[in-house]
Amino acid sequence: NAGVTQTPKFHILKTGQSMTLQCAQDMNHGYMSWYRQDPGMGLRLIYYSAAAGTTDKEVPNGYNVSRLNTEDFPLRLVSAAPSQTSVYLCASSYYYADRDCNQPQHFGDGTRLSIL
Amino acid sequence: GENVEQHPSTLSVQEGDSAVIKCTYSDSASNYFPWYKQELGKRPQLIIDIRSNVGEKKDQRIAVTLNKTAKHFSLHITETQPEDSAVYFCAAINTGTASKLTFGTGTRLQVTL
Repeated sequence: NAGVTQTPKFHILKTGQSMTLQCAQDMNHGYMSWYRQDPGMGLRLIYYSAAAGTTDKEVPNGYNVSRLNTEDFPLRLVSAAPSQTSVYLCASSYYYADRDCNQPQHFGDGTRLSIL
Repeated sequence: GENVEQHPSTLSVQEGDSAVIKCTYSDSASNYFPWYKQELGKRPQLIIDIRSNVGEKKDQRIAVTLNKTAKHFSLHITETQPEDSAVYFCAAINTGTASKLTFGTGTRLQVTL
């Protein structure tokens, strides 16, 4: 298994541009999520999806997601702002309620995004 | 929602000493507490986890303790080595719902020679 794959690894955007960060997993995990990681701030959840066809937003603006199938969970920056400069991490796991056992999240390598 | 606080934010220990990182959580329904290690430039990796029906779990030099009454859990690393240097994150979740995994803000551990 490749696990969780994120593309691109690095990207530079100009303010106002839009972009889609790709995330794919081949472990048949139902639960997928996006985090942003900033120095001293830990991992902050942006969006999550418990299954294909469902998504839940954690932060109010600036991001959109879709979950058309089990494998893919792309994150779209609608109109990039400098405050969105960050490392974006995608993660997946089994949907916890389905299993009475520990199911840790598997992370991708991240996308380092700079917005000028 | 759940809130997880983690202390200290940075920790420096000498090789061979022990390191302890502490986390508190707010939601008494949380029942699963994983710990992740993130080396510089790499993805977070699970190192140990504990469920709420267990008070302590150990894996070689790493142990985690959980106090449900006080709603805090701790990571203990004994006989630290330079390769233990990394950022460590605690997290909490109620696995009985479709709720999200909430992370602490991380502890940067530096093991010096």
